[in-house]
Amino acid sequence: EIVLTQSPGTLSLSPGERATLSCRASQSVSSSFLAWYQQKPGQAPRLLIYAASSRATGIPDRFSGSGSGTDFTLTISRLEPEDFAVYYCQQFGRSWTFGQGTKVEIK
Amino acid sequence: EVQLVESGGGLVKPGGSLRVSCAASGFTFSDFSMTWVRQAPGKGLEWVSFISSTSIYIYYADSVKGRFTISRDNAKNSLFLQMNSLRAEDTAVYFCARVGWGVVAANDYWGQGTLITVSS
Repeated sequence: EIVLTQSPGTLSLSPGERATLSCRASQSVSSSFLAWYQQKPGQAPRLLIYAASSRATGIPDRFSGSGSGTDFTLTISRLEPEDFAVYYCQQFGRSWTFGQGTKVEIK
Repeated sequence: EVQLVESGGGLVKPGGSLRVSCAASGFTFSDFSMTWVRQAPGKGLEWVSFISSTSIYIYYADSVKGRFTISRDNAKNSLFLQMNSLRAEDTAVYFCARVGWGVVAANDYWGQGTLITVSS
């Protein structure tokens, strides 16, 4: 089973700052099968990025994804108040796994 | 508008069984693979099971293999998860989620979730 490790666990930033979230896989993952989600309290997750770098429908361009192999990154260029949430990476093939999440909180 | 609505959650005793459902609308259900994902209280997301559009491919997380069964009824636009031999650690909100078509290989739409509590 591929394990995804996200870092940091918590990111304390101010609105307007840049957020860089990391997702490291225990073995190589196809970029086609790496996604990022945002989840706010009491809500279902929302797809942000698929295929490592493609934004989902309606996602603002301040969100971007990059990476390949075992190292992937989600970047939020300028944090808006509504961006403070928990972010998960996900990979899938015959088995699907999520990272443990990174909480982006207001500093 | 794509909608996924889970139902069937509730309180069940350890060792008991429960079947949760997911009613899909707003898209051609039979064209899409589906998954179940769960989230224990205060914890992260855990993938549970995957079923392809025609049920040919079915996968389970090791934590539920042999106890849970995923199925679908394309004529009724419905997805199911039969859960047997339930344990306290199965307590979670269970989400159904659509797998996007083509290059959108990810869970592009999610239901609101249904809570299952396993407790005596």
